[in-house]
Amino acid sequence: QSALTQPASVSGSPGQSITISCTGTNNDIGNYNLVSWYQHHPGKAPKLIVYESTKRPSGISNRFSGSTSANTASLTISGLQAEDEALYYCCSYGGSSALLFGGGTKLTVL
Amino acid sequence: EVQLVESGGGLVQPGGSLRLSCAGSGFTFSDHSMHWVRQAPGKGPEWVSYISGSSSAIYYAESVKGRFTISRDNAENSLYLQMNSLRAEDTAVYYCARHRGGWYADLWGQGTLVTVSP
Repeated sequence: QSALTQPASVSGSPGQSITISCTGTNNDIGNYNLVSWYQHHPGKAPKLIVYESTKRPSGISNRFSGSTSANTASLTISGLQAEDEALYYCCSYGGSSALLFGGGTKLTVL
Repeated sequence: EVQLVESGGGLVQPGGSLRLSCAGSGFTFSDHSMHWVRQAPGKGPEWVSYISGSSSAIYYAESVKGRFTISRDNAENSLYLQMNSLRAEDTAVYYCARHRGGWYADLWGQGTLVTVSP
């Protein structure tokens, strides 16, 4: 069982928007507000798409956006594209120099 | 090209040992702290260990403390994970990842598979 809770799957049609939630506790997300999100196509290296809860690395489309509220972080992908189909993982600083991950959400683009 | 490449995975019997390596290139390796993260089949990632750029700070997940040892050789741009007393539950793809100050990893390798089985 993962430390952070994500829905197992979400889906959407091309052009639509979807949101993936990531629920932690006031010992991690709620305390530090240091959440990152990763896109993972199986067999490839995971890719950072959001860091420090709301920031995007250089080169990441502005279709990806992050937010937090209390103990829950969210990743929104707007204007869905076929290449967005992947696994998405949230991660939070958990204190004591440890990272906590979610169980992952499989995004299907219909 | 900025990249991380893991190696050293394989099949090992319970109680056995294995040493993973991670080669960094395209960036100043010694400037960055590094993580090992693993992902068991069908599960989410699990943080394993952290080492600072100078090796002065090292941390482990409770699940591997006392069995795994993280180290690095900045002259060789390499990160290592020595895994001893391996158990079936250590079976996973092991990734090395580059740490950034906001407690995230901005660069990952493709992973190396470790299978612990009789």
